[in-house]
Amino acid sequence: ETGVTQTPRHLVMGMTNKKSLKCEQHLGHNAMYWYKQSAKKPLELMFVYSLEERVENNSVPSRFSPECPNSSHLFLHLHTLQPEDSALYLCASSQDIRTDTQYFGPGTRLTVL
Amino acid sequence: DAKTTQPPSMDCAEGRAANLPCNHSTISGNEYVYWYRQIHSQGPQYIIHGLKNNETNEMASLIITEDRKSSTLILPHATLRDTAVYYCIVKAAGNKLTFGGGTRVLVKP
Repeated sequence: ETGVTQTPRHLVMGMTNKKSLKCEQHLGHNAMYWYKQSAKKPLELMFVYSLEERVENNSVPSRFSPECPNSSHLFLHLHTLQPEDSALYLCASSQDIRTDTQYFGPGTRLTVL
Repeated sequence: DAKTTQPPSMDCAEGRAANLPCNHSTISGNEYVYWYRQIHSQGPQYIIHGLKNNETNEMASLIITEDRKSSTLILPHATLRDTAVYYCIVKAAGNKLTFGGGTRVLVKP
């Protein structure tokens, strides 16, 4: 247990669906991250939040919409996804964006049909 | 951040020490060496990090050469649960954590 939880663990959705991924950290951290891991590819950083403010958006398509209502919760809202968006989506947190030890959740395995 | 080179895969015997090499010949003076691992279908897990001195914690030891151009992660007594992809990452404080291909370690009975 890393102190970072993600729900759901598995999600299957159609291209016209709208769904949300949830991440919660119980570590008192101020920075949270979304990563994408496609099959046979390295992890890709998608978004970075510091104290609920988005500080980085790595050219992610607008069909992925993050939300950070407070420092403990992070959401990734999904709509009109493509099959190539199927991947493992990982959430992580760190004490702050300059503290380099990140703690990862177990991930959500997303399949887009 | 400096690029790292790791062997794509290696096998280890259960109960023996596993020595995982990493080359980072272009490392700068302010860059740290980090190790994470990712067990199948789980999120990455932080193992250890260091700047110049060797480091040890409950999971592993990190040996950094004097010129800092390479390092070795040592798992002292590998178990089957240590089977994972191990990532060596070099980065300065505050920079992004960039994962490469890592080393796929298989611990065999």
